[in-house]
Amino acid sequence: DTGVSQDPRHKITKRGQNVTFRCDPISEHNRLYWYRQTLGQGPEFLTYFQNEAQLEKSRLLSDRFSAERPKGSFSTLEIQRTEQGDSAMYLCASSLGGTTGANVLTFGAGSRLTVL
Amino acid sequence: AQSVTQLGSHVSVSEGALVLLRCNYSSSVPPYLFWYVQYPNQGLQLLLKYTSAATLVKGINGFEAEFKKSETSFHLTKPSAHMSDAAEYFCAVNTDTGRRALTFGSGTRLQVQP
Repeated sequence: DTGVSQDPRHKITKRGQNVTFRCDPISEHNRLYWYRQTLGQGPEFLTYFQNEAQLEKSRLLSDRFSAERPKGSFSTLEIQRTEQGDSAMYLCASSLGGTTGANVLTFGAGSRLTVL
Repeated sequence: AQSVTQLGSHVSVSEGALVLLRCNYSSSVPPYLFWYVQYPNQGLQLLLKYTSAATLVKGINGFEAEFKKSETSFHLTKPSAHMSDAAEYFCAVNTDTGRRALTFGSGTRLQVQP
């Protein structure tokens, strides 16, 4: 088990372009989360999946953002028509599921997006 | 709704001194509380968690935290700071209701002076 993997680690794009990030969770984890972290701030929740079902989306996730988790394995986060305000670190985490909030989230190293 | 507040965005201590990073939580139901550490260019790593068992929780690297319901606090301490402790520390809360995803504080950057 190599932990949570994210790709790419860094992405520089021009405003208006689309970008896609990929997250490979720990294989036995059925929950997958996306967070966004800007400089000097804590991670902010975007969305999470239980297996392939997207159970909640934050108000931060505008219509330009879409996340998928086909077959309940890896996940992608796509940002369409990027804006400079989208520049941030996008963090993926996974955990075992269940009804408890005590499950530990294991984070990947993140994908840093810079929109010029 | 659940939230955490971390008092002090920057804390500086001398090597060997006590480390105290403050976290206060708000939750209408019993919380689960976590401390994560983030080193530069690395992902967040769990230091310790409170899940309603012992109120004094010991974590990795000599850190510990005490859950105090009356003060709604979960402060992180380490008796003697080491240079390698320099990092950003995040307090987070979760519950058994609602979202089931961590809500993080804004973080405290710890500097350790030689």
